[in-house]
Amino acid sequence: GAVVSQHPSRVICKSGTSVKIECRSLDFQATTMFWYRQFPKQSLMLMATSNEGSKATYEQGVEKDKFLINHASLTLSTLTVTSAHPEDSSFYICSALGVREKLFFGSGTQLSVL
Amino acid sequence: GQQVMQIPQYQHVQEGEDFTTYCNSSTTLSNIQWYKQRPGGHPVFLIQLVKSGEVKKQKRLTFQFGEAKKNSSLHITATQTTDVGTYFCAGPSSGTYKYIFGTGTRLKVLA
Repeated sequence: GAVVSQHPSRVICKSGTSVKIECRSLDFQATTMFWYRQFPKQSLMLMATSNEGSKATYEQGVEKDKFLINHASLTLSTLTVTSAHPEDSSFYICSALGVREKLFFGSGTQLSVL
Repeated sequence: GQQVMQIPQYQHVQEGEDFTTYCNSSTTLSNIQWYKQRPGGHPVFLIQLVKSGEVKKQKRLTFQFGEAKKNSSLHITATQTTDVGTYFCAGPSSGTYKYIFGTGTRLKVLA
Protein backbone atom coordinates (compact mmCIF):
# COMPACT_ATOMS: atom_id res chain seq x y z
CA GLY A 1 0.00 0.00 0.00
CA ALA A 2 0.87 3.67 -0.15
CA VAL A 3 3.40 4.97 2.33
CA VAL A 4 3.20 8.15 4.32
CA SER A 5 6.19 9.22 6.34
CA GLN A 6 5.80 11.50 9.35
CA HIS A 7 8.57 12.89 11.51
CA PRO A 8 9.68 13.44 14.08
CA SER A 9 8.03 10.52 15.84
CA ARG A 10 8.59 12.12 19.20
CA VAL A 11 9.51 15.62 20.30
CA ILE A 12 9.93 17.23 23.67
CA CYS A 13 10.11 21.00 23.79
CA LYS A 14 9.99 23.86 26.22
CA SER A 15 6.89 25.96 26.63
CA GLY A 16 6.88 28.91 24.24
CA THR A 17 8.88 27.26 21.48
CA SER A 18 7.59 26.21 18.07
CA VAL A 19 7.63 22.70 16.70
CA LYS A 20 7.37 21.64 13.07
CA ILE A 21 6.01 18.24 12.04
CA GLU A 22 6.45 16.95 8.49
CA CYS A 23 4.21 14.59 6.59
CA ARG A 24 5.36 13.15 3.28
CA SER A 25 3.62 10.86 0.83
CA LEU A 26 6.47 8.72 -0.45
CA ASP A 27 5.04 6.91 -3.44
CA PHE A 28 2.06 8.94 -4.55
CA GLN A 29 1.00 12.53 -4.96
CA ALA A 30 -1.42 13.81 -2.38
CA THR A 31 -3.23 17.01 -3.19
CA THR A 32 -5.12 16.66 0.07
CA MET A 33 -3.75 15.78 3.46
CA PHE A 34 -5.38 15.87 6.86
CA TRP A 35 -4.06 16.58 10.31
CA TYR A 36 -5.55 14.88 13.32
CA ARG A 37 -5.00 15.11 17.02
CA GLN A 38 -5.47 12.13 19.29
CA PHE A 39 -5.55 12.11 23.07
CA PRO A 40 -4.79 8.88 24.92
CA LYS A 41 -7.46 6.25 24.45
CA GLN A 42 -9.60 8.60 22.42
CA SER A 43 -10.60 8.94 18.80
CA LEU A 44 -8.94 10.99 16.09
CA MET A 45 -10.10 14.57 16.01
CA LEU A 46 -9.76 16.26 12.65
CA MET A 47 -7.90 19.55 13.01
CA ALA A 48 -7.53 20.76 9.46
CA THR A 49 -7.49 19.88 5.80
CA SER A 50 -4.31 20.70 3.96
CA ASN A 51 -4.64 21.42 0.26
CA GLU A 52 -1.65 21.67 -2.03
CA GLY A 53 -1.17 25.20 -3.28
CA SER A 54 -3.92 26.77 -1.20
CA LYS A 55 -4.71 27.68 2.36
CA ALA A 56 -5.62 25.01 4.82
CA THR A 57 -9.15 24.79 6.10
CA TYR A 58 -9.51 24.45 9.83
CA GLU A 59 -12.17 22.72 11.87
CA GLN A 60 -14.22 24.72 14.28
CA GLY A 61 -12.35 25.48 17.47
CA VAL A 62 -8.88 24.96 15.99
CA GLU A 63 -6.73 28.10 16.09
CA LYS A 64 -5.18 28.62 12.68
CA ASP A 65 -2.55 30.99 14.06
CA LYS A 66 -1.51 28.36 16.57
CA PHE A 67 -1.40 25.43 14.19
CA LEU A 68 0.19 26.62 10.97
CA ILE A 69 -0.19 24.30 8.01
CA ASN A 70 1.75 24.50 4.80
CA HIS A 71 1.25 22.21 1.82
CA ALA A 72 3.86 23.49 -0.58
CA SER A 73 4.17 20.43 -2.77
CA LEU A 74 2.17 17.39 -3.78
CA THR A 75 4.13 15.21 -1.39
CA LEU A 76 4.71 17.37 1.67
CA SER A 77 2.54 19.00 4.28
CA THR A 78 3.86 20.53 7.47
CA LEU A 79 2.18 21.39 10.75
CA THR A 80 3.86 23.95 12.96
CA VAL A 81 2.69 24.26 16.53
CA THR A 82 3.59 27.82 17.44
CA SER A 83 4.37 28.97 20.96
CA ALA A 84 3.59 25.54 22.30
CA HIS A 85 2.14 25.14 25.78
CA PRO A 86 1.65 22.03 27.91
CA GLU A 87 -1.99 21.77 26.84
CA ASP A 88 -0.76 21.26 23.27
CA SER A 89 0.88 18.01 24.30
CA SER A 90 -0.76 15.28 22.27
CA PHE A 91 -0.34 12.71 19.53
CA TYR A 92 -0.55 14.37 16.11
CA ILE A 93 -1.20 12.22 13.04
CA CYS A 94 -1.30 13.18 9.40
CA SER A 95 -2.99 11.31 6.61
CA ALA A 96 -2.90 11.60 2.86
CA LEU A 97 -5.92 11.08 0.68
CA GLY A 98 -5.23 8.36 -1.86
CA VAL A 99 -7.20 6.70 -4.62
CA ARG A 100 -10.84 5.85 -3.89
CA GLU A 101 -10.71 8.14 -0.87
CA LYS A 102 -8.54 5.80 1.15
CA LEU A 103 -6.63 7.49 3.92
CA PHE A 104 -3.01 6.56 4.43
CA PHE A 105 -1.67 7.57 7.80
CA GLY A 106 1.72 8.66 8.97
CA SER A 107 3.12 6.99 12.06
CA GLY A 108 2.29 9.98 14.24
CA THR A 109 4.21 12.45 16.37
CA GLN A 110 4.06 12.45 20.15
CA LEU A 111 4.51 16.04 21.30
CA SER A 112 5.37 16.75 24.91
CA VAL A 113 5.57 20.37 25.99
CA LEU A 114 7.31 21.00 29.28
CA GLY B 1 -22.43 18.62 13.15
CA GLN B 2 -22.03 15.08 11.95
CA GLN B 3 -21.41 12.54 14.69
CA VAL B 4 -20.21 8.98 14.42
CA MET B 5 -20.67 6.81 17.46
CA GLN B 6 -19.43 3.31 18.14
CA ILE B 7 -20.41 0.73 20.69
CA PRO B 8 -19.12 -0.80 22.76
CA GLN B 9 -16.32 1.48 23.88
CA TYR B 10 -14.32 -1.46 25.23
CA GLN B 11 -14.58 -5.20 24.79
CA HIS B 12 -12.58 -7.93 26.47
CA VAL B 13 -12.96 -11.40 24.99
CA GLN B 14 -11.35 -14.76 25.48
CA GLU B 15 -9.29 -15.92 22.55
CA GLY B 16 -11.55 -17.84 20.22
CA GLU B 17 -14.68 -15.88 21.06
CA ASP B 18 -16.42 -13.67 18.52
CA PHE B 19 -16.46 -9.89 18.63
CA THR B 20 -18.69 -7.24 17.08
CA THR B 21 -18.47 -3.46 17.03
CA TYR B 22 -21.28 -1.24 15.81
CA CYS B 23 -21.00 2.13 14.16
CA ASN B 24 -23.80 4.69 13.86
CA SER B 25 -23.74 7.96 11.98
CA SER B 26 -26.05 10.88 12.57
CA THR B 27 -26.18 11.43 8.80
CA THR B 28 -26.41 9.26 5.72
CA LEU B 29 -22.98 8.32 4.39
CA SER B 30 -21.78 7.93 0.83
CA ASN B 31 -19.39 5.27 2.08
CA ILE B 32 -17.91 4.02 5.29
CA GLN B 33 -14.38 2.96 6.05
CA TRP B 34 -12.92 0.86 8.84
CA TYR B 35 -9.48 1.27 10.37
CA LYS B 36 -7.50 -0.64 12.96
CA GLN B 37 -5.05 1.02 15.31
CA ARG B 38 -2.72 -1.18 17.28
CA PRO B 39 -1.55 0.06 20.70
CA GLY B 40 1.13 2.70 20.11
CA GLY B 41 0.55 2.63 16.38
CA HIS B 42 -1.30 4.55 13.72
CA PRO B 43 -4.61 3.71 12.02
CA VAL B 44 -4.42 1.26 9.16
CA PHE B 45 -7.08 1.04 6.49
CA LEU B 46 -9.09 -2.18 6.55
CA ILE B 47 -11.95 -1.77 4.11
CA GLN B 48 -14.41 0.57 2.45
CA LEU B 49 -18.11 -0.12 1.97
CA VAL B 50 -20.11 1.84 -0.56
CA LYS B 51 -23.39 0.15 -1.38
CA SER B 52 -26.47 -0.03 0.78
CA GLY B 53 -26.64 -3.40 2.52
CA GLU B 54 -23.16 -4.35 1.35
CA VAL B 55 -21.36 -7.17 3.11
CA LYS B 56 -17.66 -7.82 2.68
CA LYS B 57 -15.43 -10.45 4.22
CA GLN B 58 -11.73 -10.51 4.93
CA LYS B 59 -10.81 -13.89 6.36
CA ARG B 60 -12.29 -13.80 9.89
CA LEU B 61 -13.59 -10.23 9.55
CA THR B 62 -17.06 -9.46 8.21
CA PHE B 63 -18.09 -5.90 7.47
CA GLN B 64 -21.63 -4.76 6.84
CA PHE B 65 -23.12 -1.46 5.67
CA GLY B 66 -26.70 -0.79 6.70
CA GLU B 67 -29.56 -0.43 4.27
CA ALA B 68 -30.03 3.22 5.21
CA LYS B 69 -26.27 3.84 4.92
CA LYS B 70 -26.15 5.27 8.42
CA ASN B 71 -24.78 2.31 10.29
CA SER B 72 -22.18 -0.37 9.91
CA SER B 73 -20.74 -3.28 11.81
CA LEU B 74 -17.52 -5.23 12.03
CA HIS B 75 -17.64 -8.81 13.22
CA ILE B 76 -14.58 -10.88 14.02
CA THR B 77 -14.98 -14.63 14.24
CA ALA B 78 -12.80 -16.62 16.60
CA THR B 79 -10.64 -13.76 17.83
CA GLN B 80 -6.90 -14.10 18.09
CA THR B 81 -4.40 -12.14 20.15
CA THR B 82 -3.30 -10.40 16.95
CA ASP B 83 -6.75 -8.81 16.74
CA VAL B 84 -5.97 -6.59 19.74
CA GLY B 85 -6.34 -2.89 19.00
CA THR B 86 -8.86 -0.15 18.51
CA TYR B 87 -11.26 -0.35 15.61
CA PHE B 88 -12.56 2.86 14.13
CA CYS B 89 -15.20 3.46 11.54
CA ALA B 90 -15.03 6.67 9.54
CA GLY B 91 -17.47 8.39 7.25
CA PRO B 92 -17.10 11.43 5.01
CA SER B 93 -18.59 14.71 6.02
CA SER B 94 -21.32 15.41 3.50
CA GLY B 95 -19.96 16.54 0.15
CA THR B 96 -16.33 16.55 1.26
CA TYR B 97 -13.34 14.25 1.55
CA LYS B 98 -13.09 14.95 5.28
CA TYR B 99 -13.55 11.72 7.16
CA ILE B 100 -15.04 11.90 10.61
CA PHE B 101 -13.88 9.09 12.83
CA GLY B 102 -16.10 7.14 15.15
CA THR B 103 -15.43 6.99 18.86
CA GLY B 104 -13.68 3.64 18.45
CA THR B 105 -13.95 0.24 20.10
CA ARG B 106 -10.94 -1.04 21.99
CA LEU B 107 -10.61 -4.79 21.81
CA LYS B 108 -8.56 -6.86 24.21
CA VAL B 109 -8.16 -10.56 23.62
CA LEU B 110 -7.23 -12.73 26.58
CA ALA B 111 -5.15 -15.77 25.76
